[in-house]
Amino acid sequence: SQQGEEDPQALSIQEGENATMNCSYKTSINNLQWYRQNSGRGLVHLILIRSNEREKHSGRLRVTLDTSKKSSSLLITASRAADTASYFCATVVNDYKLSFGAGTTVTVRA
Amino acid sequence: NAGVTQTPKFRVLKTGQSMTLLCAQDMNHEYMYWYRQDPGMGLRLIHYSVGEGTTAKGEVPDGYNVSRLKKQNFLLGLESAAPSQTSVYFCASKYRPFDQPQHFGDGTRLSIL
Repeated sequence: SQQGEEDPQALSIQEGENATMNCSYKTSINNLQWYRQNSGRGLVHLILIRSNEREKHSGRLRVTLDTSKKSSSLLITASRAADTASYFCATVVNDYKLSFGAGTTVTVRA
Repeated sequence: NAGVTQTPKFRVLKTGQSMTLLCAQDMNHEYMYWYRQDPGMGLRLIHYSVGEGTTAKGEVPDGYNVSRLKKQNFLLGLESAAPSQTSVYFCASKYRPFDQPQHFGDGTRLSIL
């Protein structure tokens, strides 16, 4: 069964706006990772946040983690057309297995 | 760097036929994975391997077999294909530590008629 669940399922924004998507999970984790998938391609790792971290930045990406609420959020600032993709959170409980959510599809309109 | 390479990229099978999907990685990763991706369901783990010669079942292993005879290769087999196995199959690999990301291939699109 899927550990993480993303919300919303789909998001449409204007170029230049910010996009925020959320991930909720059920059990204690070691870390949480966000991936991007462009149409017809494999997943690409974006950012990892460990269970003892609350916020992390990478370029235009900002990730937060609230372990008390078992939730994480991914913020993409100043969105571009190239950010159009599906975004997945993945929770890590042990060293070999990631559990992926169903993803958020983001469309950035020009 | 090739990263993770999956072959073939597309395939159409008839019900009952068999085939093998090949995954090759050139990053010397210990762990390798096979997932399937269906609309609205995210990625579901079929089988995985934590080292050469070892394999283990994931969430949806029925109807599939795997082998990892060499560290760089992970094969996924369908012995008797069924329409329910129509999906996009992704291979991934990673280093052992907890905080290492998975690296994905670009998928194999498999249709079973």
